[in-house]
Amino acid sequence: DAGVIQSPRHEVTEMGQEVTLRCKPISGHDYLFWYRQTMMRGLELLIYFNNNVPIDDSGMPEDRFSAKMPNASFSTLKIQPSEPRDSAVYFCASNNQGLANQPQHFGDGTRLSIL
Amino acid sequence: DQQVKQNSPSLSVQEGRISILNCDYTNSMFDYFLWYKKYPAEGPTFLISISSIKDKNEDGRFTVFLNKSAKHLSLHIVPSQPGDSAVYFCAASAQGYGRGSTLGRLYFGRGTQLTVWP
Repeated sequence: DAGVIQSPRHEVTEMGQEVTLRCKPISGHDYLFWYRQTMMRGLELLIYFNNNVPIDDSGMPEDRFSAKMPNASFSTLKIQPSEPRDSAVYFCASNNQGLANQPQHFGDGTRLSIL
Repeated sequence: DQQVKQNSPSLSVQEGRISILNCDYTNSMFDYFLWYKKYPAEGPTFLISISSIKDKNEDGRFTVFLNKSAKHLSLHIVPSQPGDSAVYFCAASAQGYGRGSTLGRLYFGRGTQLTVWP
């Protein structure tokens, strides 16, 4: 069974450019989460979706960040314009909350470097 | 405000010995706790969990203990192996909490780097 798939694995771009991170959750999972990992703040939740609907976006740092989930098998996290302080590893995770106490399954992340 | 805390950023243990990783939480509504393991350049992978109705859960070499009165949990690895060297994250959620915006959301600690040396 395929796990959570994220692309790209690495992204290096210049400040001011638009960055789009992509995620394909595990088939059948109805919850999708976007996390950011930094040395300063650890692993922090940015936003999560249930059945493609954003439920809690209180972790999104600024208006420069946006996330969408147009269908059950695809989500994007966009940063526009990007800044050096956005450099981090971004993880996507999914699970099926319909089943009690299901752990989240993580992708391998996108390492983002903004120069 | 960090609701889940892992106060030891690193732990070094000899192969064959016990590794004990600790985690504290502040939110009394948390009722489900998990440990994740993370290798470099990979995502966190689920290791073991425990519900608040239990005080111990065991899976092979891994045992998680929960002390609700102290709001403390620990992960024991016995015996430790070099392949266990990774960052371990503690996480908690309020599965039974009714408000939709927080149901199922995980709160993570900062992680503890475990190094098991031969």
